[in-house]
Amino acid sequence: NAGVTQTPKFQVLKTGQSMTLQCAQDMNHEYMSWYRQDPGMGLRLIHYSVGAGITDQGEVPNGYNVSRSTTEDFPLRLLSAAPSQTSVYFCASSAALGAGNSPLHFGNGTRLTVT
Amino acid sequence: AQSVTQPDIHITVSEGASLELRCNYSYGATPYLFWYVQSPGQGLQLLLKYFSGDTLVQGIKGFEAEFKRSQSSFNLRKPSVHWSDAAEYFCAVGAQTGANNLFFGTGTRLTVIP
Repeated sequence: NAGVTQTPKFQVLKTGQSMTLQCAQDMNHEYMSWYRQDPGMGLRLIHYSVGAGITDQGEVPNGYNVSRSTTEDFPLRLLSAAPSQTSVYFCASSAALGAGNSPLHFGNGTRLTVT
Repeated sequence: AQSVTQPDIHITVSEGASLELRCNYSYGATPYLFWYVQSPGQGLQLLLKYFSGDTLVQGIKGFEAEFKRSQSSFNLRKPSVHWSDAAEYFCAVGAQTGANNLFFGTGTRLTVIP
């Protein structure tokens, strides 16, 4: 099992460019989510999905889009990158809904810099 | 509103010394509580979790945490720190039902000196 795989590991964008951060899991997990990690702010939830075809907003969704067409994949799209989106992005998944039912499995992160 | 406070941004301890990392939470319902560890350049790994029952929970790598409802705290402890414990530690709170969304504290960076 590869677990949660994020690509790319590093990315530099210019303001206004668009890109997609990829996240794939091979554990048949229902739940997937995206967090961003900023210094002094911990991890904040961007978007999440409780199953294929179902997505919802987290704490900081502005500037990001997601879709969940398959159980395995949960890409995060930046439509028009801004310097404020410079961050480290983590994808996470779990086997079941509810924090008590299954621990989150995290990818190794994508470090994004927007100039 | 839910929140998690980790008051110590950075802690330095000597190898072999004991460790306590503080975590306070605010949550409207009975929470699930977690401690995660992040090594440089890596994702987060679950150390331990509290759901109910015994308020002292054991985790991996010799860590333990104690849930104190009256103090809204969930402090992480280790009796003897190893150099490999140097990392960033995050406390998190989640709901018992609904989506598996966690609210994280801002983290505590642990430095271990020989």
